[in-house]
Amino acid sequence: DARVTQTPRHKVTEMGQEVTMRCQPILGHNTVFWYRQTMMQGLELLAYFRNRAPLDDSGMPKDRFSAEMPDATLATLKIQPSEPRDSAVYFCASGFYGGGDQPQHFGDGTRLSIL
Amino acid sequence: RKEVEQDPGPFNVPEGATVAFNCTYSNSASQSFFWYRQDCRKEPKLLMSVYSSGNEDGRFTAQLNRASQYISLLIRDSKLSDSATYLCVVVSGGSYIPTFGRGTSLIVHP
Repeated sequence: DARVTQTPRHKVTEMGQEVTMRCQPILGHNTVFWYRQTMMQGLELLAYFRNRAPLDDSGMPKDRFSAEMPDATLATLKIQPSEPRDSAVYFCASGFYGGGDQPQHFGDGTRLSIL
Repeated sequence: RKEVEQDPGPFNVPEGATVAFNCTYSNSASQSFFWYRQDCRKEPKLLMSVYSSGNEDGRFTAQLNRASQYISLLIRDSKLSDSATYLCVVVSGGSYIPTFGRGTSLIVHP
């Protein structure tokens, strides 16, 4: 079965450090999403790309977060500088949207702890 | 009003029970609907799509009521392994941006 691959699975670092999370979407999918999940907020959409173009990043704190998709097989989410409140699980998901009826599939997530 | 609302629960039911969840949405132009299941500390996984005509997959039945703007999930003959959080997803027309509900927690006990 094709899967979305995220790395790293876990990350613990000190505040102020740069954090880079990577995602390999399912081959053939044209849309990639980045989500953050915490107990308090549930699943929040941070950013998403269609055909590698960023379409919406309004859910992302612009001053410290950045999302890119340098090629069709790699999406990145960076936090610089990181803060303790960024501690959460970050999920990447991919899907194919041509008629709106295709579901998205999630990676295993990156569990991020900022000390 | 939130775009997608779910009763957080928890719904605490015995094995073998039938349980139903609803999910309401505010955007009448919503186009696609899904139910996902999320186990503790795991990623959400697609459970089933929700079609206008309704659909059934084994013990699970999903229905869409466009007039009242809600989708439902019915689980029959609950198993211990059904314990999880069930997330509804509504995709708006045009932009195809998915919106997740906060999820409904189900606990099935012996």
